[in-house]
Amino acid sequence: GQNIDQPTEMTATEGAIVQINCTYQTSGFNGLFWYQQHAGEAPTFLSYNVLDGLEEKGRFSSFLSRSKGYSYLLLKELQMKDSASYLCAVRDGGSARQLTFGSGTQLTVLP
Amino acid sequence: DGGITQSPKYLFRKEGQNVTLSCEQNLNHDAMYWYRQDPGQGLRLIYYSQIVNDFQKGDIAEGYSVSREKKESFPLTVTSAQKNPTAFYLCASSMGLSFSNQPQHFGDGTRLSIL
Repeated sequence: GQNIDQPTEMTATEGAIVQINCTYQTSGFNGLFWYQQHAGEAPTFLSYNVLDGLEEKGRFSSFLSRSKGYSYLLLKELQMKDSASYLCAVRDGGSARQLTFGSGTQLTVLP
Repeated sequence: DGGITQSPKYLFRKEGQNVTLSCEQNLNHDAMYWYRQDPGQGLRLIYYSQIVNDFQKGDIAEGYSVSREKKESFPLTVTSAQKNPTAFYLCASSMGLSFSNQPQHFGDGTRLSIL
């Protein structure tokens, strides 16, 4: 089975940098995804990590340490529109390669 | 534009009634999924299908049923056996298992409520 932990809520100021952590315990591992979800809307894909290290994509970066079961999503130059829930999801190593989602971190960006 | 279409956006169910949520994709994806999301919680997998005419139960399949007669379509029926159906339902699709680095793409969801 999988267990994924994220902080429930975070608050940051416009223009700042915020780091959202995700820890996981899995019986297998085949990649970690980050999604952004605005209230009442569909999740949208942000990043994917399967090897250790940092993946950078514009204002968003994601880091993975497989030995520590740890990932973080880094958001730079925060904008008001970044206020959303951020979901960490782990793909297991089984034949079905299902995604297990964390409960999400609700980020509020203040002016 | 390619994408995933869910309908209806809002749905109300009466006691003892079955309701069906539609999900159609034109992304030519092999795999399709149904998730349930409750307030303040992550997504929980109900059913998934890796190929036409085949589907598997997810973590919370009780009270739900699906079919996969066409590659493009994966409807979800919420039966009267599901005693707490009020939730936000999300359909997703992805390329096949050979493409494990490819993300799931989501529809806009259906919000189901009890009358």
